[in-house]
Amino acid sequence: QKEVEQNSGPLSVPEGAIASLNCTYSDRGSQSFFWYRQYSGKSPELIMSIYSNGDKEDGRFTAQLNKASQYVSLLIRDSQPSDSATYLCAVNFYGGATNKLIFGTGTLLAVQP
Amino acid sequence: EPEVTQTPSHQVTQMGQEVILRCVPISNHLYFYWYRQILGQKVEFLVSFYNNEISEKSEIFDDQFSVERPDGSNFTLKIRSTKLEDSAMYFCASSARQEETQYFGPGTRLLVL
Repeated sequence: QKEVEQNSGPLSVPEGAIASLNCTYSDRGSQSFFWYRQYSGKSPELIMSIYSNGDKEDGRFTAQLNKASQYVSLLIRDSQPSDSATYLCAVNFYGGATNKLIFGTGTLLAVQP
Repeated sequence: EPEVTQTPSHQVTQMGQEVILRCVPISNHLYFYWYRQILGQKVEFLVSFYNNEISEKSEIFDDQFSVERPDGSNFTLKIRSTKLEDSAMYFCASSARQEETQYFGPGTRLLVL
C-alpha cells in the first residue's frame, strides 16, 4: 500500500516567518513529487514540483527532496496571511499502466497577522 | 492561461439516480484523471485515462462508475446508481505527460440525498 504521510497541523506561524512543511512517502519507486495548496472548498492548486534530489526554489517557496530518506519538504519564506491554507503533498506513481497521484492528508497552515 | 473546466459546479441528486460529471481538460494534454475528496478527508485517486482507454482504476472505481471521452474535448465521469457515500467533491485533472504536473479543475460538489 503506497502511503504519503503529513502532519495534519495546524501549523501556526507569525506573519513574516518561515513555515516548514514536511512529508514522507512509503514507496521508493516514487518518481515525481508535488506540493499543492488547497483553500477550503476549492481545488488543489500547484505550488511546486520536484523531480530530483536537492532544493528547488521559486520565489518565496523552496521544495526539498531526499529520495534516500523518502522525504520531501516545502519552505515558505516571509509567510503572509494569504498563505493560510491546507498544503497537500502528492507523489506520482507512474510506469506502464500505472499513473496516479497519491496525496497526503494535508497540513493546515495558519499565518497570524 | 489554459485551465481545466468542470460542470456543473454543484449537483444534488437522489440516491439511485444516475449523474454525469463533465470536464474539459487542457487542450494539448493527453492524460486525464478523476479524483474525489470526501469532506474532511484526503484527495483520492479514482481513475486515469489515456489513448481512449482506462490506464488504471482504484478499488473505489467499481462497476457503478464509468468514464468516457465522447469527443475531442470533453471527459466525463458517470455514476450509474448513486449512493449516499458518493457524496464528495469530484475533481478532474489533466497532464501533458505521465510524470508531469496534473492540473486540477475547480471540482463538482455532488450531494446524494
